[in-house]
This record gives sequence, C-alpha cells and structure tokens, in this order.
Amino acid sequence: NAGVTQTPKFRVLKTGQSMTLLCAQDMNHEYMYWYRQDPGMGLRLIHYSVGEGTTAKGEVPDGYNVSRLKKQNFLLGLESAAPSQTSVYFCASLTSGNTIYFGEGSWLTVV
Amino acid sequence: GDSVTQMEGPVTLSEEAFLTINCTYTATGYPSLFWYVQYPGEGLQLLLKATKADDKGSNKGFEATYRKETTSFHLEKGSVQVSDSAVYFCALSAGSSASKIIFGSGTRLSIRP
Repeated sequence: NAGVTQTPKFRVLKTGQSMTLLCAQDMNHEYMYWYRQDPGMGLRLIHYSVGEGTTAKGEVPDGYNVSRLKKQNFLLGLESAAPSQTSVYFCASLTSGNTIYFGEGSWLTVV
Repeated sequence: GDSVTQMEGPVTLSEEAFLTINCTYTATGYPSLFWYVQYPGEGLQLLLKATKADDKGSNKGFEATYRKETTSFHLEKGSVQVSDSAVYFCALSAGSSASKIIFGSGTRLSIRP
C-alpha cells in the first residue's frame, strides 16, 4: 500500500453531518478511485477520476461528491451523512501498467 | 459489460491442504487479470497479476494462469498456511479503458491449524 495514503482512518458521524475523506498519492498516477466495501457485497466503485480536474460517477455515486483539484489528491465528501453510508472506504490509484494500488482504508460509522 | 465471477466462500481448509479459488471473467478486448488479498483490518494488496493469455502470475507460493480459452484465472497454492487466512479478490482491468477496475465479490479463506 505504499504511496496511497487515506485520512482519517476511523470516524464516527451523526446522521446529517458532513465530512471529507482525503486520499493522497505520490506516484504521479493519473487515475484515482474511491470504493466502498460492505459485507457480502465486495467492492463497489463510488467515483473515479482520470486526471486533475476531472471526475466521473461510478456504480454507487449517490450521496457522495468528489474533487480532484490537484493530481495527487482525490477528495470524497459526504454532505449529509446517512446510516446507509456506514462502510469501509478505499482509495486507489492506477499505474501505467494497469495495476491498482489501494490505501489502507477509512472506517466510517454513521449513527 | 465486463464482469468477474469468483467462487463463493467461505472456504475452510486444513493447513498444508491444496487450494483452488475459481475465477472467471467476461470482457471485451484483452484485459489484465489480478488477484488481490485482504487481511483482517487491512486494505487490499496486490498478490499477483497476468497481462496476456497464457501468462502465469506467481507470488508467495500462489499461482494463477491467464486462460483465454476458458476465460479463467484460478488461484492455486500447493500447501496453505494459517497465515493465508484472508479474503481474496479476483479483478480485471480493460487495457483499452482503464477508467474502471472490475472486482469479484471476494472469497473468504480460513485455514485450520
């Protein structure tokens, strides 16, 4: 997981609160991704970015927003958290050889 | 669309047993194929990969061969250890459009001492 850093690692939110997860990579990768992982459902793509200033929706984008103002950073925002957003969130970036590298995960609980 | 199907778990084996976790894929073009491993409380780590037909990826005693004729990438290990207990994910990335990586649903492996 070297090179992809996520913060924070753990967070508890109340319903309706907002927060931002930060992903940073120092490998100069163009492509970056945000996934969520839930029991029995594997990894689901929330949003992704193919370069600085670009973002696109993945499989489950509702309730989330993203920004890629700098190439090395990909931010995931929850404007009004809901209990259904309790999950483990993984950021990832893609090498030129199409290998994806993951951060260590952010555990989010919405109560 | 592109997809990955892997055998459902959990899979429970005794130490030193032979392991196979099946993975098949559907994709247009010629994808790269991967196996990732996730240990409890951690993120996913790349275990091995293969980028073209008949390639064999290997790492830590695990192997998988890219079989285009059967669209498969089965993970094997000759003698598993307790430390291999984890969740294993098969994945593909399409060479022509790497905007998305497709993951299987994961297979939980538990090894008994």
